[in-house]
Amino acid sequence: EVRLVESGGGLIQPGGSLRLTCVVYGFSVSTNDVTWVRQAPGKGLEWVSIIHTDGREVYADSVRGRFTISRDNSKDMVYLQMNSLRAEDTAVYYCARAGGDSAFYIDFWGQGAPVTVSS
Amino acid sequence: EIVMTQSPATLSVSPGERATLSCRASQSVSSNLAWYQQKPGQAPRLLIYGASTRAAGIPDRFSGSGSETEFTLSISSLQSGDFAVYHCQQYNDWPLTFGGGTKVEIK
Repeated sequence: EVRLVESGGGLIQPGGSLRLTCVVYGFSVSTNDVTWVRQAPGKGLEWVSIIHTDGREVYADSVRGRFTISRDNSKDMVYLQMNSLRAEDTAVYYCARAGGDSAFYIDFWGQGAPVTVSS
Repeated sequence: EIVMTQSPATLSVSPGERATLSCRASQSVSSNLAWYQQKPGQAPRLLIYGASTRAAGIPDRFSGSGSETEFTLSISSLQSGDFAVYHCQQYNDWPLTFGGGTKVEIK
């Protein structure tokens, strides 16, 4: 069974840092692209970042230079390091698996990790 | 960036009726279009990819059509569990982008 489980969310002050962790089950992060998508309260979905099987990282303009995606193949974990956090980064962050074969729809989603940036 | 526009923002439908949702891309995305269903407090669920291919376990009352810039999600004979928010997403180009969502509510 494919599952993704996020952790590490919480309340953080503006300018602070937070690291989200995503543990995956039922597939390997070394052979599947894994992505992060966020959803601000009452808003739509916003793609954040993806790490490809070859290790390439791609970022949305809104987070490039502040967020870093990485993975640990041996633990089947993907991380999202978030620095210089802003109020507009407040959202539920979903870890998700991309469909594969260079078709970047999302076929499995985690339950989400809430992040609140506020003083 | 490809902008995805969904309409209407809210659709009021009676149970048993058909719902038709639209998604428009600001430029061609070929058939690289997916649809998701999201219920309150839950993660999205993949319904359709490749504009018209149903994901595993999705009932055939959900159907997708369209290509290039105009796409439609149809839900025939709405059931109680179908009242939710529906999102479209293009994966033809970076960044991946989503529409603003259509809320399907009970009339």
